[in-house]
Amino acid sequence: SQQGEEDPQALSIQEGENATMNCSYKTSINNLQWYRQNSGRGLVHLILIRSNEREKHSGRLRVTLDTSKKSSSLLITASRAADTASYFCATGNQAGTALIFGKGTTLSVSS
Amino acid sequence: GAGVSQSPSNKVTEKGKDVELRCDPISGHTALYWYRQSLGQGLEFLIYFQGNSAPDKSGLPSDRFSAERTGGSVSTLTIQRTQQEDSAVYLCASSRSYRTGGTDTQYFGPGTRLTVL
Repeated sequence: SQQGEEDPQALSIQEGENATMNCSYKTSINNLQWYRQNSGRGLVHLILIRSNEREKHSGRLRVTLDTSKKSSSLLITASRAADTASYFCATGNQAGTALIFGKGTTLSVSS
Repeated sequence: GAGVSQSPSNKVTEKGKDVELRCDPISGHTALYWYRQSLGQGLEFLIYFQGNSAPDKSGLPSDRFSAERTGGSVSTLTIQRTQQEDSAVYLCASSRSYRTGGTDTQYFGPGTRLTVL
């Protein structure tokens, strides 16, 4: 069963624009993570936000977390063609033994 | 240091054959995970190893799937009598430790793309 659901499923923007992706989840969490996947292969961890945090920054990335709405957003500012990838949010399963991923948002940045 | 490595990177097999997929986690990482990603889908958890504890096998889709982790390091995922629906990218990840109540940042390998004809 999926915990995180990303929205939109696909997003196309021009270089320099900002990209916002949203994630909703169902159960209580200790933290929420965002990952990026290029070309359908290995995932790269981007950022982790804890349940007691509301916002976190890392370079051009800004993540927000609203535990009352069980939602998170990932903002990529000043996007580049190299940001083209699929982005997934993930939360821990109830046993705390694995991450549960949504189906992801596919971001295309054109130059 | 080196990241998570997986082999082979691609595997094509015939229906009914057995396959073995290998994962070398980051040195010192005690937790190891296997996931499966079918075309256009998110990641599906398969199995989790943590130190010497009994693995969490709750994500394995059938008894044709098994995995072991020798010496707390290298892991092998075995699929017996492969079926076409087993075609997917199989991803391995490792993390430093298991934290009560949450999961640590996971570091993923490049995956093995399995195609069952």
